[in-house]
Amino acid sequence: GENVEQHPSTLSVQEGDSAVIKCTYSDSASNYFPWYKQELGKRPQLIIDIRSNVGEKKDQRIAVTLNKTAKHFSLHITETQPEDSAVYFCAASTSNYQLIWGAGTKLIIKP
Amino acid sequence: GAVVSQHPSRVICKSGTSVKIECRSLDFQATTMFWYRQFPKKSLMLMATSNEGSKATYEQGVEKDKFLINHASLTLSTLTVTSAHPEDSSFYICSASGWREFNEQFFGPGTRLTVL
Repeated sequence: GENVEQHPSTLSVQEGDSAVIKCTYSDSASNYFPWYKQELGKRPQLIIDIRSNVGEKKDQRIAVTLNKTAKHFSLHITETQPEDSAVYFCAASTSNYQLIWGAGTKLIIKP
Repeated sequence: GAVVSQHPSRVICKSGTSVKIECRSLDFQATTMFWYRQFPKKSLMLMATSNEGSKATYEQGVEKDKFLINHASLTLSTLTVTSAHPEDSSFYICSASGWREFNEQFFGPGTRLTVL
């Protein structure tokens, strides 16, 4: 079945620096790639997503890139702030609408 | 838009009892709702997918007689944990899709179930 791998599992960066989280997927039919942010004990919040007909998407400090050939997609957060600390999940979806989830990355922003 | 509510937020029950969790899409009609279980420091594990008016599709290893799912309307799905045991203690989260694109999922706030 489809698999999504996410790296790293933990990422610690200095406040103000950039953070990059990477995911790879196995099903070439995947066409939708969302990123969720989850704070402890709370629901996952959709922060950005990208579809397979686009290579890059940006929303203020957050950007996502997609390489369909390599089946990679990445989340980029610039000018990190303490409130960016959370667990981030990538996911991939095909036409059956189910999301296949990555294992998550715990992002720690050091003051 | 795309607000999903879930009730209750926390429940503590005795072993052997049943617990019902409700998931509602408040401002859109959800064509599909999903039920997840999440263990501490782990990713979300899909339990089942439900479409309004039809039987839920359960993932492998999920007992359909233990986790009863009903999707009676386009805005409401319920998960009933029957004859709960301590190992059923977990964080249960629902999500709904259908707000804009079919694969966008919006999550409820989750239900923390503790079975004594």
